[in-house]
Amino acid sequence: DGGITQSPKYLFRKEGQNVTLSCEQNLNHDAMYWYRQDPGQGLRLIYYSQIVNDFQKGDIAEGYSVSREKKESFPLTVTSAQKNPTAFYLCASFNREGNQPQHFGDGTRLSIL
Amino acid sequence: KNQVEQSPQSLIILEGKNCTLQCNYTVSPFSNLRWYKQDTGRGPVSLTIMTFSENTKSNGRYTATLDADTKQSSLHITASQLSDSASYICVVIKLTGGGNKLTFGTGTQLKVEL
Repeated sequence: DGGITQSPKYLFRKEGQNVTLSCEQNLNHDAMYWYRQDPGQGLRLIYYSQIVNDFQKGDIAEGYSVSREKKESFPLTVTSAQKNPTAFYLCASFNREGNQPQHFGDGTRLSIL
Repeated sequence: KNQVEQSPQSLIILEGKNCTLQCNYTVSPFSNLRWYKQDTGRGPVSLTIMTFSENTKSNGRYTATLDADTKQSSLHITASQLSDSASYICVVIKLTGGGNKLTFGTGTQLKVEL
């Protein structure tokens, strides 16, 4: 069954610690995205990648880093430079052929210890 | 001011009743508009996609309308069920030189009660 898998579901970060959120898709989509969702706000784009070994900053990239070594995987690292990391993080993928919707994972909720 | 405004912010209706959610946008140039349903603690799931030439599109009990001239869209839910309780997000896609750019509304939180 094709889809996007995000892990872990819940994650806690200590002060000064980097944490990595996993996103894997088996939809054979070229494009992958990371969004941050905060209460009362629309989803905001952190990073996106249109092809393997290439990625672009979104609207709120500061304090985050990504890699795209494989088509199926697009991990997001929340670094200690991100001073307000508590949020719900959503990964999405997209088939650019045709007018298709983005497919979303079920998110990772990150909290500060 | 957000380029995609949704109203109401929240809504409570009785099971079996109909409701309509609104989305006004200023995003331009416009490529297409999407409605997503997001259950609590889950990722959004696509309900409808509409291009500028489409006025209405249905998906079961969900019907979306689009007026590209006034930059307004609505999502009508018929014969609501408890499982319709969720956040409904309007997303407007803008054409840019670097590809499509998505702008998300803040969502309408719908609660369906017995």
